Amino acid sequence: RKEVEQDPGPFNVPEGATVAFNCTYSNSASQSFFWYRQDCRKEPKLLMSVYSSGNEDGRFTAQLNRASQYISLLIRDSKLSDSATYLCVVNINTNAGKSTFGDGTTLTVKP
Amino acid sequence: SAVISQKPSRDICQRGTSLTIQCQVDSQVTMMFWYRQQPGQSLTLIATANQGSEATYESGFVIDKFPISRPNLTFSTLTVSNMSPEDSSIYLCSVLTKGYTFGSGTRLTVV
Repeated sequence: RKEVEQDPGPFNVPEGATVAFNCTYSNSASQSFFWYRQDCRKEPKLLMSVYSSGNEDGRFTAQLNRASQYISLLIRDSKLSDSATYLCVVNINTNAGKSTFGDGTTLTVKP
Repeated sequence: SAVISQKPSRDICQRGTSLTIQCQVDSQVTMMFWYRQQPGQSLTLIATANQGSEATYESGFVIDKFPISRPNLTFSTLTVSNMSPEDSSIYLCSVLTKGYTFGSGTRLTVV
């Protein structure tokens, strides 16, 4: 079993749709969690950190469920520009920078 | 967040040769990380570059193949040695400051 597993893609949704991605992790000692966005042929960029209390940034909402060991990303009112690959990142030891990246979920938003 | 300048952005190299990738950060950071991203896959950590000590390599990666330098807190290099076509990949450097910031990547093709 992989340390970090993401929903298999691709997700193809129309503009304006709401879409959610899940990511499960196997190490219960994981300390911090992030969602990254990677556009085609570009480097990953931080989308948002995921906090225990959940956090929201505009149309994006991230949730953490430690008991079930998963994090989620909800995108509301999808835009064409949201089309990208979304990577789940789980950090085992923040100080050592030991992180594991999920394989990514590809989202395509269509007009 | 930090700004990273990575170069070269791409290169095509002959098998058996070596390529050195450079990353310059606009601020001092304790740890820098080197990742590899195979086509269609997520990121795999190669090693952690520490200033003043040898790099720490992940399982499957060795210093002879991927020597790393870290002469100061703002700069690091990764060399891909004795290249083969299997080394064709994207190589990314990264620093951890409130989430990872990545260089723009080096797209390496070995022929």
